[in-house]
Amino acid sequence: DQQVKQNSPSLSVQEGRISILNCDYTNSMFDYFLWYKKYPAEGPTFLISISSIKDKNEDGRFTVFLNKSAKHLSLHIVPSQPGDSAVYFCAASWGGAQKLVFGQGTRLTINP
Amino acid sequence: NAGVTQTPKFQVLKTGQSMTLQCAQDMNHEYMSWYRQDPGMGLRLIHYSVGAGITDQGEVPNGYNVSRSTTEDFPLRLLSAAPSQTSVYFCASRRTGGAYGYTFGSGTRLTVV
Repeated sequence: DQQVKQNSPSLSVQEGRISILNCDYTNSMFDYFLWYKKYPAEGPTFLISISSIKDKNEDGRFTVFLNKSAKHLSLHIVPSQPGDSAVYFCAASWGGAQKLVFGQGTRLTINP
Repeated sequence: NAGVTQTPKFQVLKTGQSMTLQCAQDMNHEYMSWYRQDPGMGLRLIHYSVGAGITDQGEVPNGYNVSRSTTEDFPLRLLSAAPSQTSVYFCASRRTGGAYGYTFGSGTRLTVV
């Protein structure tokens, strides 16, 4: 049972435009959500997180939105840059966040 | 500051062999975890530890053992390798509290033939 789902395996965006990556979850116990970025042959790198008590968190070009009623979160990247081309994973946790549950990942390609 | 160091980076095993994947962190992080990444599956938690001497199972623990005798090290042991354990393995650590961002190692690519 996939508790965290990223339904788009890939996304292609033009440089300078907005990239929107989506994630859905089923477990209402999740209280913390994270986004990771992964380049080939490297480990995932933490990008941004959001607590379930908030609906938005912003860090530079990256903004995460959380819609608890829809059990949906999204990552917005504005403006998109070629270095943003990577696989993006959303992850969720609960009760102290010792364990993360990851989505399948979305491969983002930024075209010049 | 090396962060999270995983060795080896690549390994080929024959079915039935055993081996240990090493993981060390130098950030004095309390929490450590092992994940495996398979195509189309994201990362799945194998085992985790909240401190020296304390370990627990994750989502896919069968066929793996762990121990945590020191804060720095968290080795993952494959008892009798099977082709289904062909995967990329990531070790991660983080401190308690804070923004819950785990720091990941660069991974070990394991092939079982």
